[in-house]
Amino acid sequence: GESVGLHLPTLSVQEGDNSIINCAYSNSASDYFIWYKQESGKGPQFIIDIRSNMDKRQGQRVTVLLNKTVKHLSLQIAATQPGDSAVYFCAENIANAGNMLTFGGGTRLMVKP
Amino acid sequence: EPEVTQTPSHQVTQMGQEVILRCVPISNHLYFYWYRQILGQKVEFLVSFYNNEISEKSEIFDDQFSVERPDGSNFTLKIRSTKLEDSAMYFCASSHDGYGYTFGSGTRLTVV
Repeated sequence: GESVGLHLPTLSVQEGDNSIINCAYSNSASDYFIWYKQESGKGPQFIIDIRSNMDKRQGQRVTVLLNKTVKHLSLQIAATQPGDSAVYFCAENIANAGNMLTFGGGTRLMVKP
Repeated sequence: EPEVTQTPSHQVTQMGQEVILRCVPISNHLYFYWYRQILGQKVEFLVSFYNNEISEKSEIFDDQFSVERPDGSNFTLKIRSTKLEDSAMYFCASSHDGYGYTFGSGTRLTVV
């Protein structure tokens, strides 16, 4: 049968506002999490990562929060800019499983000038 | 900044033909991966490669697929007897320690 494209949730924000993108991961054995940004026609671009022994990690304009109790990950982008417009994926990595990444479905971030 | 380089950027092939997708990982990286993304869908793991052998592969990576590191710098994905449903973006990635992957820009494979 015909494959159906993934319906991406979309987050639309005003330039300068803060953005929060959420992700639920699936495996309680996952020990490493990464947020990727993907622009149209390009490969996933690393944004920030966090290991399971941490709850929060900050980068430049970005913060990742990890809640292992409810298997939830969030990406906060401060002062969102038009160049932040892209699809954002979380990915989880299970230790000792070939270090393969399992990607989430993605969220499309649209920044309005 | 070091990059993972993939060639070609776009490959069109007839159904049933073999294709080889090429990747040059970052030079001091030890772990190599292939992922694919069918248009509009999630990025999916295909295979991981470490110490000159496959360390993990997904259900997608069946006998139609193979990987090779022929010369210490290139990392290739061969797809034999391509099918229409093999049409996708194929991403190579590398990592120094199994974390902090760097992805290439991808090869768009179109099977006609």
